[in-house]
Amino acid sequence: KQEVTQIPAALSVPEGENLVLNCSFTDSAIYNLQWFRQDPGKGLTSLLLIQSSQREQTSGRLNASLDKSSGRSTLYIAASQPGDSATYLCAAANYGGSQGNLIFGKGTKLSVKP
Amino acid sequence: NAGVTQTPKFQVLKTGQSMTLQCAQDMNHNSMYWYRQDPGMGLRLIYYSASEGTTDKGEVPNGYNVSRLNKREFSLRLESAAPSQTSVYFCATHRESKSPLHFGNGTRLTVT
Repeated sequence: KQEVTQIPAALSVPEGENLVLNCSFTDSAIYNLQWFRQDPGKGLTSLLLIQSSQREQTSGRLNASLDKSSGRSTLYIAASQPGDSATYLCAAANYGGSQGNLIFGKGTKLSVKP
Repeated sequence: NAGVTQTPKFQVLKTGQSMTLQCAQDMNHNSMYWYRQDPGMGLRLIYYSASEGTTDKGEVPNGYNVSRLNKREFSLRLESAAPSQTSVYFCATHRESKSPLHFGNGTRLTVT
């Protein structure tokens, strides 16, 4: 059974710092991995989706990488801003599971201090 | 373009009461999902619908029923609410399994 872990659970950084959020998964037979952002009291917003055949995806200051062999994905945020403060979740989609059933990590709560 | 709309935003029920959570999407997506989010447990899939007219159980279906009324709407019903169903419920949708998932803003349900 797929398990997705995100460490640390919380992270506080000063504005302007580059940072990396980590996501690990136990079953490498995934067909994609998604990173989401969740603001308090809101739903999840998809940030980046990496298909199993890809190594990374980029959007603006965000870059997500995928290494299936090691069971790891990272989300790199460049030049962090206070507006980046939110909880970031990763989710893995496996072959053979319920269609579209993503297994979510519990998230990393990011706080960027001005 | 509203995306995924959930109603109500908040609800308080007494144990044993019933209610239906509504979800509607205007993205013309085929697949729709109901998740619940609990502290320390993360998001867990309750039910999903791969297309109009089909529904399937997810990880935690007990105590819930669903209806895929048409392509736009997917409702979640609690027939006899229990305190263990206190949670935040999210509806989500995507075009296909390799597409990003789009979420509504959630329904915060408290069962006393």
